[in-house]
Amino acid sequence: DGGITQSPKYLFRKEGQNVTLSCEQNLNHDAMYWYRQDPGQGLRLIYYSQIVNDFQKGDIAEGYSVSREKKESFPLTVTSAQKNPTAFYLCASTLLSRGGELFFGEGSRLTVL
Amino acid sequence: DQQVKQNSPSLSVQEGRISILNCDYTNSMFDYFLWYKKYPAEGPTFLISISSIKDKNEDGRFTVFLNKSAKHLSLHIVPSQPGDSAVYFCAARATTDSWGKFQFGAGTQVVVTP
Repeated sequence: DGGITQSPKYLFRKEGQNVTLSCEQNLNHDAMYWYRQDPGQGLRLIYYSQIVNDFQKGDIAEGYSVSREKKESFPLTVTSAQKNPTAFYLCASTLLSRGGELFFGEGSRLTVL
Repeated sequence: DQQVKQNSPSLSVQEGRISILNCDYTNSMFDYFLWYKKYPAEGPTFLISISSIKDKNEDGRFTVFLNKSAKHLSLHIVPSQPGDSAVYFCAARATTDSWGKFQFGAGTQVVVTP
């Protein structure tokens, strides 16, 4: 079945540690996105990518990094520079040429202890 | 600066009645609008969309209305069912934006009571 897979679903880390969240899609979508959800704040865009080896900062990119070495994969690294990393992270993708909707993964809950 | 706003954080409605969720936007370049439904600890799922060339789109119990002059859209759910209890997000994008950025509202928590 086609879809977006995020892992891990739950992750705990100590302060000062970097952590990488995985996002893989087999929908052959061009564009991939990372959003962060905090209570009462909706979905805020962290990074997005339209093509391999190219990506753009979203509204809240500070303390995060991404790579897009393959069309199917768009991992997000939450670095120790991110001041408040505890959140629910959502990966999404879309086929830009079709102008359609975003498809989301199941999300990853990161908790910093 | 939030370009998509959902000013009602929560809505309680009785089963069988109509749920009306509102969304306002500020960017006049937005021409494609979507509604998503989200359960806790899950990713949002797409519900319905509308292009700016239309003012209404219907899909089963869900209808979205778009008022371009007021920069306002609404989602109607009729009749509301207990399974509709979720957070609903409004999203918008400018199709001229080749990067495909979607902007989301803060969401409205809908609770459908028996």
